[in-house]
Amino acid sequence: NAGVTQTPKFQVLKTGQSMTLQCAQDMNHEYMSWYRQDPGMGLRLIHYSVGAGITDQGEVPNGYNVSRSTTEDFPLRLLSAAPSQTSVYFCASSSSGGQGDYEQYFGPGTRLTVT
Amino acid sequence: AQSVTQLGSHVSVSEGALVLLRCNYSSSVPPYLFWYVQYPNQGLQLLLKYTSAATLVKGINGFEAEFKKSETSFHLTKPSAHMSDAAEYFCAVRRAGANSKLTFGKGITLSVRP
Repeated sequence: NAGVTQTPKFQVLKTGQSMTLQCAQDMNHEYMSWYRQDPGMGLRLIHYSVGAGITDQGEVPNGYNVSRSTTEDFPLRLLSAAPSQTSVYFCASSSSGGQGDYEQYFGPGTRLTVT
Repeated sequence: AQSVTQLGSHVSVSEGALVLLRCNYSSSVPPYLFWYVQYPNQGLQLLLKYTSAATLVKGINGFEAEFKKSETSFHLTKPSAHMSDAAEYFCAVRRAGANSKLTFGKGITLSVRP
């Protein structure tokens, strides 16, 4: 199993540009989520999905869009990049039921800089 | 609602000394609790988890944590610090039940002095 994969690893955008961060998992997990990590802020939930076709907002959803057309993929779209979106982005997945099955598996992250 | 408090942002210990990283949580229902470690420029790796079985949980790399319901705490300990333990550590809480969200604390950076 590859686990959770993210592409790209690094990205530089200019203000106003749009882009999609890719996330895929091969563990047949129902639950997938996107976090951003900023110094001193921990990880903050952007959007999450409990299954194909179902998404919901997290703590900091503004400026981001998601969709979930398959179990495996959960892309994150930046609609119009702003310097405040400079961050490290992590995708995670987990099964959503069963004793002890709440562990989230994280991808390696995407480091995004918006100039 | 659920939340996690990690007191302090930085802990420094000498190699061989006890490591104690504090985590307090609030949750309206029985929680699942996790400690994750992040080494520089890497993703998050699970150290250990509490899922309502034994209250003393042993994890990887010699770490353990004890769930104390009366204190709403889940502190992480290691008897003897190693230089390779230098990293950022995150405590997280998730309610039992399908589709619940994982809430992280702000993280603690552990430094280990030779």
